[in-house]
Amino acid sequence: AQKVTQAQTEISVVEKEDVTLDCVYETRDTTYYLFWYKQPPSGELVFLIRRNSFDEQNEISGRYSWNFQKSTSSFNFTITASQVVDSAVYFCALSEATQGAGNQFYFGTGTSLTVIP
Amino acid sequence: DGGITQSPKYLFRKEGQNVTLSCEQNLNHDAMYWYRQDPGQGLRLIYYSQIVNDFQKGDIAEGYSVSREKKESFPLTVTSAQKNPTAFYLCASSIKGLANNEQFFGPGTRLTVL
Repeated sequence: AQKVTQAQTEISVVEKEDVTLDCVYETRDTTYYLFWYKQPPSGELVFLIRRNSFDEQNEISGRYSWNFQKSTSSFNFTITASQVVDSAVYFCALSEATQGAGNQFYFGTGTSLTVIP
Repeated sequence: DGGITQSPKYLFRKEGQNVTLSCEQNLNHDAMYWYRQDPGQGLRLIYYSQIVNDFQKGDIAEGYSVSREKKESFPLTVTSAQKNPTAFYLCASSIKGLANNEQFFGPGTRLTVL
């Protein structure tokens, strides 16, 4: 079963619109960590944020904000006033504390965001 | 600058040949990882290593091999046993390989088998 689901395969928005990328996860662990990464056309994944399972406080960083809701097992990512430079593939990932050595990340299949000027 | 380097960026090989992808990091990280990315499938873990001279299979290790002789290096060999090797390969590292350690990624190698 997929541990991380990103149901939106592709999204297109016009510049300056707000856009939310959905991430739903599945785990039986009580301690886990969620991550968001950005993959621009160059290919390298860029770390955006880490959230632990005990901290449900929403976070804002500039135009980026994240909404973590344990009740719905979701960790959604919103970009406000989108810009062309936001065009990329965005991945959500889960890491479980009980898995032991290696810290395997479970990645979603990604959401490709295109911001149209 | 600290970071992860992968070489080459593009690699072409004939079917049946083994090929080795390079991954080097100067972040002094203990843990290193290899992922494979195919269109629409996200990233899948091939191998990981938490310490020098030790490595473990990930979800799709068949047809691949690795070594970890030095802390900063984690080369991946794609063998002729890998049935569909054409893909984008990403190397990553994290400071201790713990669950809360973010992974940092290299620029990737795009392998095409002709």
